[in-house]
Amino acid sequence: QLQLQESGPGLVKPSETLSLTCTVSGGSVSNTNYYWAWIRQPPGKGLEWIGSIYYSGSTYDNPSLKSRVTMSVDTSKNHFSLKLNSVTAADTAVYFCARRLGYRMDVWGKGTTVIVSS
Amino acid sequence: DIQMTHSPSSLSASVGDRVTITCRASQTIYTYLNWYQQKPGKAPKLLIHSASSLQSGVPSRFSGSGSGTDFTLTISSLQPEDFATYYCQQSHNIPWTFGQGTKVDIK
Repeated sequence: QLQLQESGPGLVKPSETLSLTCTVSGGSVSNTNYYWAWIRQPPGKGLEWIGSIYYSGSTYDNPSLKSRVTMSVDTSKNHFSLKLNSVTAADTAVYFCARRLGYRMDVWGKGTTVIVSS
Repeated sequence: DIQMTHSPSSLSASVGDRVTITCRASQTIYTYLNWYQQKPGKAPKLLIHSASSLQSGVPSRFSGSGSGTDFTLTISSLQPEDFATYYCQQSHNIPWTFGQGTKVDIK
């Protein structure tokens, strides 16, 4: 059964870069049937789609993040990653990774909390 | 961006009640509409995809309907484990967007 696990620093300073990794187990990040996605949820708020990436490196991202996002896939490590630069307090959130099957996100990681603070 | 609007934002219901949640899109999204359930401190769980298709493993008391701009999630007989927040999400246009959610709590 496919499982996803987010990892990365829980505390990032303002103006620095947030870096997260999602490790895929029980399946392959190279599976041609899937994209891989990132979603975040600020404290007490709703869900925001950040973007998605295919194993080949093709990406779709949310224009609202104004090109601060970089996504990548490492097939040798069976994981995919998110970098968000120039972070502010508004980027404080729980960050989820998910598997995208077609037009839905059907398997999610448990999420990891990232706090932006000096 | 396509705006997704839930109605109501919250509701109180009892076990056994029939519950209906509505989601409206700001423009047509055909049937590119998914429903998720989220419990506190947990990741969202996919319930319904493509507006009306029940995700594998989800109880049949959950159902979805609609197309175009108006969609409905129905829980036919509310169970204790169904108290949660429900989100609709469109996947017709980039960026994919979610509604603000409907919180279902105990009456």
